[in-house]
Amino acid sequence: QSVLTQPPSVSAAPGQKVTISCSGSTSNIGNNYVSWYQQLPGTAPKLLIYDNNKRPSGIPDRFSGSKSGTSATLGITGLQTGDEADYYCGTWDSSLRAGVFGGGTELTVL
Amino acid sequence: QVQLQESGPGLVKPSQTLSLTCTVSGGSISSGYYWNWIRQHPGKGLEWIGNIYYSGSTYYNPSLKSRVSISVDTSSNQFSLNLSSVTAADTAVYYCARDGGFDTSGHYHPNFDHWGQGTPVTVSS
Repeated sequence: QSVLTQPPSVSAAPGQKVTISCSGSTSNIGNNYVSWYQQLPGTAPKLLIYDNNKRPSGIPDRFSGSKSGTSATLGITGLQTGDEADYYCGTWDSSLRAGVFGGGTELTVL
Repeated sequence: QVQLQESGPGLVKPSQTLSLTCTVSGGSISSGYYWNWIRQHPGKGLEWIGNIYYSGSTYYNPSLKSRVSISVDTSSNQFSLNLSSVTAADTAVYYCARDGGFDTSGHYHPNFDHWGQGTPVTVSS
């Protein structure tokens, strides 16, 4: 059971937009920065969003992040088949004094 | 460009200690970042194991704390993971990764921006 809650799967058609939610509590998302990762099959996760809504160099602006209260959201516009992957949110939990991840969301581009 | 590379045995016997090393190249391990171990059970999500700062300060996942030890060797630009009394439940791909850690305001920046390729570890007799 993950500390952060994500939907197991989401799907959308190519070119459409999808959002992935990440729900937590005041001890984690509510008072700490959130990051998002994309993991393609057989590869290490890749940082997509950090500090809630910032994109590392090289990440297209089709990917966006936001945070409100104890929830965070990853948005992906202009979906491509290459976006099919597992997506994870992560943050710090101040009560646990530990890093925590969501359970992951599998994105299918139909 | 910073690169991380895990190394260690791919097979460990039950009740023994799993030991992995992460070698950092292209940058100094003393550069102010935090150095993490993260694992992924087969077909499952990411599990944060713990991290270390170059000074030796550590944080561990409470669920693993009694069995985990992370150390750093700044002279070799490496950090290591020891996980004792392993069982089949510790079979996973183990990743090392860098993140921003605590800033001067005390806020943690969990931005794992560089990862190793991951090393699979199987616990079996």
